[in-house]
Amino acid sequence: NAGVTQTPKFQVLKTGQSMTLQCAQDMNHEYMSWYRQDPGMGLRLIHYSVGAGITDQGEVPNGYNVSRSTTEDFPLRLLSAAPSQTSVYFCASKRQASYEQYFGPGTRLTVT
Amino acid sequence: AQKITQTQPGMFVQEKEAVTLDCTYDTSDQSYGLFWYKQPSSGEMIFLIYQGSYDEQNATEGRYSLNFQKARKSANLVISASQLGDSAMYFCAMRETDGGATNKLIFGTGTLLAVQP
Repeated sequence: NAGVTQTPKFQVLKTGQSMTLQCAQDMNHEYMSWYRQDPGMGLRLIHYSVGAGITDQGEVPNGYNVSRSTTEDFPLRLLSAAPSQTSVYFCASKRQASYEQYFGPGTRLTVT
Repeated sequence: AQKITQTQPGMFVQEKEAVTLDCTYDTSDQSYGLFWYKQPSSGEMIFLIYQGSYDEQNATEGRYSLNFQKARKSANLVISASQLGDSAMYFCAMRETDGGATNKLIFGTGTLLAVQP
């Protein structure tokens, strides 16, 4: 199993550009989520999904969209990038009946 | 609202000594879970240990143990016999039950541990 994979590892965007951060897992986990990590603030939940076709907002959803068309994939879309979205983004997944979340390696995004 | 507090921004420990990283939490849920994650300089999040609120014994995983004091709402991580490879950022987190469906994690701000030879 590859676990949770994220692409790209690094990305630089200009203000106003859009892009999609990719996340995939091959463990057949029902639950997937996106977090952002900013210095001094720990990780904060952006969006999550409890299964294909079901998504919901986390703590800091503004400026981001998600969709879950398959169990494996959970892309995060930035509609119009802003400097405030400069952060490290982590995708995570878990079996619904389990407590342990598996994190991807992260994507470091810089918006200039 | 649920909250995790880690009051130690940074700590030093001598190699082979034990160290305790503090974590306090606030929740009105009766059922919850507490986690510790390690984040080395390479950036990945590594799961270390988990404690359920109904678990009567403190969780242990190798050199890691969780000192769970429910009445004090604390869940401190104890690392025994520190190694140089333990140098990393450590995050305490709490599983927000929210009806059992979502299992969102709420993180503290982290403690940066430096192990000195």
